[in-house]
Amino acid sequence: SQQGEEDPQALSIQEGENATMNCSYKTSINNLQWYRQNSGRGLVHLILIRSNEREKHSGRLRVTLDTSKKSSSLLITASRAADTASYFCAVTGGFKTIFGAGTRLFVKA
Amino acid sequence: AAGVIQSPRHLIKEKRETATLKCYPIPRHDTVYWYQQGPGQDPQFLISFYEKMQSDKGSIPDRFSAQQFSDYHSELNMSSLELGDSALYFCASSHGTGNTEAFFGQGTRLTVV
Repeated sequence: SQQGEEDPQALSIQEGENATMNCSYKTSINNLQWYRQNSGRGLVHLILIRSNEREKHSGRLRVTLDTSKKSSSLLITASRAADTASYFCAVTGGFKTIFGAGTRLFVKA
Repeated sequence: AAGVIQSPRHLIKEKRETATLKCYPIPRHDTVYWYQQGPGQDPQFLISFYEKMQSDKGSIPDRFSAQQFSDYHSELNMSSLELGDSALYFCASSHGTGNTEAFFGQGTRLTVV
């Protein structure tokens, strides 16, 4: 399956610290995306990294992609309490995007 | 900017009833995806459409059907509802497939009682 699998499943950090979440997948992909979801709310697209890219930045977000290891990481620097949410990676191949189980991030003020 | 619109936002149905969820993609987006997210679960891919044709199918029960219309909006029809169908149903749209990002609607929360 293409499903992204993430670790850790839950992460609790202090405000100001960096948070790193990892995602692994099993098959070839066109791109990998990271989404954020606040409890019971919609999915917000954070960043897309294409299969031929290795690193991408957007504000406090840094995403890496290693297609040889079929893995990606999302780094959130200088975390804020408002970053508390679930973060999902999603891999796209063909006509579908498959989501991983998500990492629940809790940033303590 | 226009986003993906889903309706209704909340829906309560009884067991064995039917439900229809609607999704209006971002203008000029030709691809629509449907996902189901149970409580505490990750979003599960159900089905997708590209240019009004079914393009891929995931874990969609036989009791569910979907289609994409000429104006690119999509409807997910759910029959013989079961308690386990209670979930958030998300629709996403993109322009083309492959290397394009998908934008999600706010979801429809279906509760089956």
